[in-house]
This record gives sequence, C-alpha cells and structure tokens, in this order.
Amino acid sequence: GENVEQHPSTLSVQEGDSAVIKCTYSDSASNYFPWYKQELGKGPQLIIDIRSNVGEKKDQRIAVTLNKTAKHFSLHITETQPEDSAVYFCAASSASGGSYIPTFGRGTSLIVHP
Amino acid sequence: EPEVTQTPSHQVTQMGQEVILRCVPISNHLYFYWYRQILGQKVEFLVSFYNNEISEKSEIFDDQFSVERPDGSNFTLKIRSTKLEDSAMYFCASSGRQTLETQYFGPGTRLLVL
Repeated sequence: GENVEQHPSTLSVQEGDSAVIKCTYSDSASNYFPWYKQELGKGPQLIIDIRSNVGEKKDQRIAVTLNKTAKHFSLHITETQPEDSAVYFCAASSASGGSYIPTFGRGTSLIVHP
Repeated sequence: EPEVTQTPSHQVTQMGQEVILRCVPISNHLYFYWYRQILGQKVEFLVSFYNNEISEKSEIFDDQFSVERPDGSNFTLKIRSTKLEDSAMYFCASSGRQTLETQYFGPGTRLLVL
C-alpha cells in the first residue's frame, strides 16, 4: 500500500517568513495530492490540491509542487501570518475500486510567531 | 458554503457500550467516508460508502464497526462494543461525483471510552 512521509514534524517561523513542508510517497500509481489544514479541535480543511498531470499550482500565498519522478511534493506558504498556525497534512491517493482513499502523512505543526 | 456536519461533538462512553456517530454529508455528494485520528497521530481511513454499500474498508474496520445511511441525509458509524483503544477523533467526509477525489471533512466527534 501507499506510504506517505512528511517533514518536518514541527516548523516554527517568524511572521512574514516562508514555510515549506515536504512529503514523499511510495506508490507510483498515486495521482492526486491534497493538502489539509487542521486547526485545534476542528476537522481537516482542504487548502490546495494537485493532480499528477501538473507540476505546480498556486493559490495566493500557497503553492504546491509535485515531482513525480522523485515521488515528492511540497507545500509552500509565503508571507506567513499567525493565523496560518495549524497542523498541515499532506496526502496521496489514486483511484481504487472507484474511490480515492487518501493516505495521510503524520502532519506538520506550523507555528507562526508574531 | 455547504459543510459536512457531525453530531455529537463529544461522546463519553463506558467500555463495552455501543455508540453511534452521526454525519450529514454535503447534500449533493454521493460518496461518504469515515476516518479516525488517535490523539497526536495521523488521520486513518476506516471505510468508504457509495450507493448504499461499503465500497472499501481498512483493517481497522472490523466486525465491531458498521455504517448505515438510514435516510437521505444522515450517514452513521456504529461501534458495537467499544474498547479503550477506540478513543479517538472520528471524522466523516464526503465527495461529489464530479470531483470524486476531493473530500470535504466534518468537524469530527471526539470519542472517549472509559
């Protein structure tokens, strides 16, 4: 089955700095890579996703890159703000039996200091 | 914006008791999922449900677990005889036909088994 590794487990930055979270996956059949933000006591919220037919996607201060050959993908947050503080999960999935079941990384706790 | 809702937000139960966790998926979605997250760990897939039947399930989803869509809006997870290790956050998610791979998560139910 799929295995997703995520690093770092904790990331502490100053407000305004950039933050990068990296993930690797093992199953070359994976073709959909969502990123979720989880605030304390809440469910994971989809913030950006990328499909295997593109190498990069950007949405305002958030961008995701995908390297299919190396089987890794990254989340980039620029101009970080205190409200970006949360746990971020990467995931990898592919169609299996008609549904996409994501395998999640262990999460990165991002702390943005004002 | 449509959301997945879950009730209750917290549930405390005694070991061996049955619990039912409830979810209302996004109204036009057809695919439904349950996940769990043990404190401090990654989100783990339990089961997916489509067209009134289970489409996939993980090793975690043993005979103690069952799912049901009792009416046109609710989706439930039943744990027949709870164990201490069932204590976790349980998330419901749903996805639509057009964007099957994009899952939207509810806020979760925190289950504590004593």
